[in-house]
Amino acid sequence: AQKVTQAQTEISVVEKEDVTLDCVYETRDTTYYLFWYKQPPSGELVFLIRRNSFDEQNEISGRYSWNFQKSTSSFNFTITASQVVDSAVYFCALSGVTTNTDKLIFGTGTRLQVFP
Amino acid sequence: DAGITQSPRHKVTETGTPVTLRCHQTENHRYMYWYRQDPGHGLRLIHYSYGVKDTDKGEVSDGYSVSRSKTEDFLLTLESATSSQTSVYFCAISEGGQPQHFGDGTRLSIL
Repeated sequence: AQKVTQAQTEISVVEKEDVTLDCVYETRDTTYYLFWYKQPPSGELVFLIRRNSFDEQNEISGRYSWNFQKSTSSFNFTITASQVVDSAVYFCALSGVTTNTDKLIFGTGTRLQVFP
Repeated sequence: DAGITQSPRHKVTETGTPVTLRCHQTENHRYMYWYRQDPGHGLRLIHYSYGVKDTDKGEVSDGYSVSRSKTEDFLLTLESATSSQTSVYFCAISEGGQPQHFGDGTRLSIL
């Protein structure tokens, strides 16, 4: 069975602090995708990143970075120098790689509050 | 956004009434999905579609049905709404292995 665990329910930081959101996954598939989505207070879901299980290279996009480690089944997300606008719920998700559809399995989310 | 419109955006209804939520896309994507979001559960897949008239069940399909008679529309129906179906419902679309993009959600309250 596939499962995604986000053990941190809520994190509070002060602006400019670095923060890491943890994501641990379980799957029997040898090929899979990992995702992060952001849900700001306005409620929409915003796609941030997708990672293929073949590619363990870390990725950086501005203040965001992602650390994928197959050995520990983790796909952690770090925000450097956090800002108030980063306040949101962040979801980690997992899907298989099929020719039909890639159904997403979501974690329960981590609420990040960044205070000025 | 990725050309996804959900309607209505908010709805309050009573137990036992039928409810239909609509997802409309302008992207001509093949795949469409319905999820529900509940505290402590994240998002869970209800049903999905891989083409016109081609649908299948997700993780939490009991009490829900779907239909897709046109590429652009995916309807989610609660035949007889129950209070446990109070939730926020999200539609998503994708194409050819690309990441799913989500609509803005429908907040449904069943009293």
